[in-house]
Amino acid sequence: DTGVSQNPRHKITKRGQNVTFRCDPISEHNRLYWYRQTLGQGPEFLTYFQNEAQLEKSRLLSDRFSAERPKGSFSTLEIQRTEQGDSAMYLCASSLARSEGAGGYTFGSGTRLTVV
Amino acid sequence: ILNVEQSPQSLHVQEGDSTNFTCSFPSSNFYALHWYRWETAKSPEALFVMTLNGDEKKKGRISATLNTKEGYSYLYIKGSQPEDSATYLCAFSGGYNKLIFGAGTRLAVHP
Repeated sequence: DTGVSQNPRHKITKRGQNVTFRCDPISEHNRLYWYRQTLGQGPEFLTYFQNEAQLEKSRLLSDRFSAERPKGSFSTLEIQRTEQGDSAMYLCASSLARSEGAGGYTFGSGTRLTVV
Repeated sequence: ILNVEQSPQSLHVQEGDSTNFTCSFPSSNFYALHWYRWETAKSPEALFVMTLNGDEKKKGRISATLNTKEGYSYLYIKGSQPEDSATYLCAFSGGYNKLIFGAGTRLAVHP
């Protein structure tokens, strides 16, 4: 297992198009998180899953955003009708719930989205 | 609204200098404080997780301290090297599973 993998690394899309990102977590990790980072800010929480259940969604996550984690393995984050304000780095992290107190979060390298 | 503040926003030092950054966080409902190093085009790398007031952790030339009563943590780098150049993020956990990040301190170490 080589860590958390995110695809694509970069995505340029026209305003109004739909985009989908994928995250493959560490295989034995049962929790998966999505964060978004914009220029000059720290990563902001979007949503997280425990196994296949989506347990929390931030108010930042508008109706145009949807995330899934079928079968509790990989996850996808879809943005519909993209807007320029969606341009950001989208980070995925995974963890084993019982190890989070010891720092068991592992991050991917992110997907950088540019909406033109 | 939970707020995590980091200072300074950016820092330029010469190779060999020692430096430190500050992270301030809510002192109530504290569960853990995380430090990450994030180099360009890479994934954020966990440096430390601290949970107890008075915790001090060390990894090579980097160390961190924690004061949960007053809500701050310091990260120290002794004898900075160019490879230490990165953004250093701190993140607060209030036990709600998610991490709340500060905006980071961007460190540039010049040879």
